[in-house]
Amino acid sequence: NAGVTQTPKFRVLKTGQSMTLLCAQDMNHEYMYWYRQDPGMGLRLIHYSVGEGTTAKGEVPDGYNVSRLKKQNFLLGLESAAPSQTSVYFCASRDPGLVYEQYFGPGTRLTVT
Amino acid sequence: DAKTTQPPSMDCAEGRAANLPCNHSTISGNEYVYWYRQIHSQGPQYIIHGLKNNETNEMASLIITEDRKSSTLILPHATLRDTAVYYCIAGANSKLTFGKGITLSVRP
Repeated sequence: NAGVTQTPKFRVLKTGQSMTLLCAQDMNHEYMYWYRQDPGMGLRLIHYSVGEGTTAKGEVPDGYNVSRLKKQNFLLGLESAAPSQTSVYFCASRDPGLVYEQYFGPGTRLTVT
Repeated sequence: DAKTTQPPSMDCAEGRAANLPCNHSTISGNEYVYWYRQIHSQGPQYIIHGLKNNETNEMASLIITEDRKSSTLILPHATLRDTAVYYCIAGANSKLTFGKGITLSVRP
């Protein structure tokens, strides 16, 4: 089991550019999440999904879009990147029966200049 | 979700028990207490959770006071690899709200 993987690991964007972050999990989990973590801060929830084809907004959704076309993948898109989106992005997944046990990926470090 | 308060940092000697406190005085009856940790630059890792009773697993023990207003995470024999930020979270759903956590430094 690879668990939760994230692609890419690092990326530098210029302001206004777009990109998609990919999260994949091989644990057959229904629920998936995207978080961002800024220096010295805890994680903040961006968007989440409770199953294939569903998405919902979290605490800080502005400037991001998501899609869950396949159960194992959860995509996070930045349509027009801004310096304020410089952050480390973490994806997580969980089994519906284990409410509090999320499995996290290794993170994507994004810098927007 | 109930607000949690943790000291910013603490340290302990390798091989000794690390007792990490958490205050959650506004916790409601259906909210669990759960702990995650984040080793430098890695994704957070689930440790343990509990509602009323004390809990133990292979990683740690969770002691919750009878009034549920505070709890303590215990790492019984801390190692250098336990150096991390530990997050105490109180809530009733899976949308985790991470604060700044407590930085545990294990010294040789």
